[in-house]
Amino acid sequence: GENVEQHPSTLSVQEGDSAVIKCTYSDSASNYFPWYKQELGKRPQLIIDIRSNVGEKKDQRIAVTLNKTAKHFSLHITETQPEDSAVYFCAASTSGGGADGLTFGKGTHLIIQP
Amino acid sequence: GAGVSQSPSNKVTEKGKDVELRCDPISGHTALYWYRQSLGQGLEFLIYFQGNSAPDKSGLPSDRFSAERTGGSVSTLTIQRTQQEDSAVYLCASSLSPGTSYEQYFGPGTRLTVT
Repeated sequence: GENVEQHPSTLSVQEGDSAVIKCTYSDSASNYFPWYKQELGKRPQLIIDIRSNVGEKKDQRIAVTLNKTAKHFSLHITETQPEDSAVYFCAASTSGGGADGLTFGKGTHLIIQP
Repeated sequence: GAGVSQSPSNKVTEKGKDVELRCDPISGHTALYWYRQSLGQGLEFLIYFQGNSAPDKSGLPSDRFSAERTGGSVSTLTIQRTQQEDSAVYLCASSLSPGTSYEQYFGPGTRLTVT
């Protein structure tokens, strides 16, 4: 089955700087890659996703890049703000969910230093 | 509109007891998922329903776990003879049919503690 590795496990950046979180996946058939943000004690919420037919997607201060050949994808957050502090999870799926569900990485705890 | 809801929010049970966790998906969402999140870990996929049908139950951790969905809406996850390693947050998510939209909306979770 699919395996997703996520790095780093903890990332501390100064407010205003950029943050990058990286994930690799094992199943070349995976075609959907969402990123979820989970604040302490709250439910995961989708912040951005990308499908395998595109290489990059942006939404204001966040962007995701996908390299299908290398089987890795990354989340980029620019101009970080205190409210960006949370745990971020990457995930992969061969069917956009469905019978495979989503396979998640173990998460990155992002800390924004004031 | 209302999001995904789960009950109870917290459950403390003694080892060996059975527990039942409930999920109410967003109205109109035909796909429903159960995940388990252990402390400091990512989310582990357990089972998927399309309508009332679960095509693959191999993600359930053991035969003590079972799930059902009725009327294409509410789902229950049942854990029999609970063990301490079952302690985790159980999250439910729903989405439109995977062919329509991939986004999964999560509920707040049920925190299960087995003593």
